[in-house]
Amino acid sequence: DIQMTQSPSSLSASVGDRVTITCQASQDIAKYLNWYQQKPGRAPQLLIYDVSNLQTGVPSRFSGSGFGTDFNLTVSSLQPEDTATYFCHQYDSLSTFGGGTKVEI
Amino acid sequence: EVQLVQSGAEVKKPGESLKISCQGFGYPFVAYWIGWVRQMPGQGLEWMGTIYPGDSDTRYSPSFQGQVTISADKAINTAYLQWSSLKASDNAMYYCARQENGNYKYWGQGTLVTVSS
Repeated sequence: DIQMTQSPSSLSASVGDRVTITCQASQDIAKYLNWYQQKPGRAPQLLIYDVSNLQTGVPSRFSGSGFGTDFNLTVSSLQPEDTATYFCHQYDSLSTFGGGTKVEI
Repeated sequence: EVQLVQSGAEVKKPGESLKISCQGFGYPFVAYWIGWVRQMPGQGLEWMGTIYPGDSDTRYSPSFQGQVTISADKAINTAYLQWSSLKASDNAMYYCARQENGNYKYWGQGTLVTVSS
């Protein structure tokens, strides 16, 4: 099965900072990569699908890039409401989630 | 409006059986895969498996194959996740989610399973 390695596992940044989270797949998954945001006590929410497509309602400060095995989620200007844990998710072969990145401000 | 409504929290003893549910509203339930995701306390998301309610085609993560059973009753728009013999390590929040074009846009509210002697 495909393993998804996310880094860092946690980060602390300031309001307005540019932040990048990486996700590496154990094999080529082409563009079959999504990102989710989860706030404490809540179900995850779809943020970005198919590498770079913003889900409706997601602020444009979020962006995604990558192809094959290496992917990034970038927040161009971190806001207080972005405090959350972020997960990547591959669906090229069954599904696998990354280990998560906890973002604190 | 699409909604996935999960059954309520459960408290069980090790060795007991359990079946939790996820009912879909506001869309043709038979037409979309439903996935199940585990989240252990303070941990990340683990994909367990998925079912297509239209024909009950089911796929499991190798990590969960043989540990749980996923099923569905399309007559009542409900998917299930069940254990025949719970362990303490099954303590977790369990989410169902609807898969569309590979992504999980709609999620249930979660079912907390507590296994304690």
